[in-house]
Amino acid sequence: RKEVEQDPGPFNVPEGATVAFNCTYSNSASQSFFWYRQDCRKEPKLLMSVYSSGNEDGRFTAQLNRASQYISLLIRDSKLSDSATYLCVVNTNAGKSTFGDGTTLTVKP
Amino acid sequence: EAGVAQSPRYKIIEKRQSVAFWCNPISGHATLYWYQQILGQGPKLLIQFQNNGVVDDSQLPKDRFSAERLKGVDSTLKIQPAKLEDSAVYLCASSLEGLYGYTFGSGTRLTVV
Repeated sequence: RKEVEQDPGPFNVPEGATVAFNCTYSNSASQSFFWYRQDCRKEPKLLMSVYSSGNEDGRFTAQLNRASQYISLLIRDSKLSDSATYLCVVNTNAGKSTFGDGTTLTVKP
Repeated sequence: EAGVAQSPRYKIIEKRQSVAFWCNPISGHATLYWYQQILGQGPKLLIQFQNNGVVDDSQLPKDRFSAERLKGVDSTLKIQPAKLEDSAVYLCASSLEGLYGYTFGSGTRLTVV
């Protein structure tokens, strides 16, 4: 079993839709969590950190469920420009980071 | 703030040849990472430096890969000899501390033929 697992998708949604991705992790000692966005043939870019209390940044909401060991990313009112691969990252308190393989989102007009 | 600089952007070599990549992190970032990203997969950590010391190199194929970060600033990653399966994008990233998010460079796309 992989340390960090994501549904690869692809998720194909119309503009304006709400879409959610989950990411599960196996190491219960994981301390910090992030979502990155990666456009085709580009480097990953930090989208948002994930806090225990949940956090929101505009149309994006990230949540953490420590009991079930997963994090989620919710995108509301999808835009064409949201089309990308979304990577979750899980860090242990020793600073070890593990990336998921990403979930591909395509937003269509 | 200048980003993470990497060079070259692209490299094509024959198998069994050697290749080196260079990375200059964001000024003041103590932690530097080298990742390998194979098409369709997430980045896989090869080595993590804290200043000029190695924190984690457990996934670095040490029979062919080496990395150094002299003076705790820029870093080089070398592959010798290269194999076909080394074809990937090699990403360098830096962060202030390990628990914060990273900033990635634009990567070096390596093709081994």
